[in-house]
Amino acid sequence: AQSVSQHNHHVILSEAASLELGCNYSYGGTVNLFWYVQYPGQHLQLLLKYFSGDPLVKGIKGFEAEFIKSKFSFNLRKPSVQWSDTAEYFCAVNGNGGYNKLIFGAGTRLAVHP
Amino acid sequence: NAGVMQNPRHLVRRRGQEARLRCSPMKGHSHVYWYRQLPEEGLKFMVYLQKENIIDESGMPKERFSAEFPKEGPSILRIQQVVRGDSAAYFCASSPPAGGGNEQYFGPGTRLTVT
Repeated sequence: AQSVSQHNHHVILSEAASLELGCNYSYGGTVNLFWYVQYPGQHLQLLLKYFSGDPLVKGIKGFEAEFIKSKFSFNLRKPSVQWSDTAEYFCAVNGNGGYNKLIFGAGTRLAVHP
Repeated sequence: NAGVMQNPRHLVRRRGQEARLRCSPMKGHSHVYWYRQLPEEGLKFMVYLQKENIIDESGMPKERFSAEFPKEGPSILRIQQVVRGDSAAYFCASSPPAGGGNEQYFGPGTRLTVT
């Protein structure tokens, strides 16, 4: 079955701490991988995406993610978080090619304290 | 270039009423997706449409829910005879035609509350 698992539902960090949010997926075939962010009261915005090529992907606002095919993982990282990173983060996957539905993880709520 | 637009942003309905949610895709986008987010859960795919065609409705409940994307005007998600369990945030996303990649752009969502 196609699924995405995000290990941490709630994460609390202090400013300047490093962040790593886990994401594992189960999906047959070649995949595209995404991280979306939802700031309080706002809609989902794309942080970064992986389609092919370099497995280390850099996104907006200093975020990056690494695709490890052997582990079916696409973890999100940021070396130093800011209070403004407080949001909910969603990992998602779809099939490579065509216009396939996105399969989302349950999300991780990040709270960054000043 | 305006983003994906959804209205209303908030909708309150009593049990048994109908809810109509609208989505206008980004300019130039011809593919629309609807997702539902229940409290404390991630987004779940409902339906994928192109102009005048339903391509994939595998995530739609079998009864009371329908969707359309007419040649002119917005995409509509319609929920008949709403029940409390329909309370959720409903998100629409759009993507460009062939060659634009698989990225989907999301609207702000409609939060449906059934009382």
